[in-house]
Amino acid sequence: AQTVTQSQPEMSVQEAETVTLSCTYDTSESDYYLFWYKQPPSRQMILVIRQEAYKQQNATENRFSVNFQKAAKSFSLKISDSQLGDAAMYFCVLNTGGFKTIFGAGTRLFVKA
Amino acid sequence: DAGVTQSPTHLIKTRGQQVTLRCSPKSGHDTVSWYQQALGQGPQFIFQYYEEEERQRGNFPDRFSGHQYPNYSSELNVNALLLGDSALYLCASSLVVVRNTEAFFGQGTRLTVV
Repeated sequence: AQTVTQSQPEMSVQEAETVTLSCTYDTSESDYYLFWYKQPPSRQMILVIRQEAYKQQNATENRFSVNFQKAAKSFSLKISDSQLGDAAMYFCVLNTGGFKTIFGAGTRLFVKA
Repeated sequence: DAGVTQSPTHLIKTRGQQVTLRCSPKSGHDTVSWYQQALGQGPQFIFQYYEEEERQRGNFPDRFSGHQYPNYSSELNVNALLLGDSALYLCASSLVVVRNTEAFFGQGTRLTVV
């Protein structure tokens, strides 16, 4: 079975500081994709960053970067220079190339001014 | 581009009733997935449609069924509603041929069963 675990139900960060959200996953597939999605109070799920498992280089998108440890099956998200607009639920997502996508339970991020 | 649109945005139904939720995918997308998101939880995969067929299904009972039309739009039907079916239902569209494709989500339909 494929699973995604986000062990931090809530996180808090001061504006302009850096925060890291944790995610571990389990799959027997060797080829898969990992994503971080953000869900603000508006409910619209938005892609933050994606990582192909075959790529060793960690993905980066502006202030967002990941630490992908394939052997440890870990995929954490680092948000640098946090902004008030970063406050949202963040979901770690696993896609093994089939039609099914597995979401973690989410981490709610609070950003303090 | 309107992106993924879902209707209605909110819905209140009584236990035992049936409901149909609708989704129009992003222009150019051919695959539609449905998710159930209970309050405070992550989305749970219900099923996915491609070429008008259900391709894969999550752990949901047969009360949950769907359909995809030739224009790629999709419906989610839930029969014999239970109180536990109250949730946000999300539709996501993507391109099946692109394996690491970004899924675009609609804003969801909030279903309340009373």
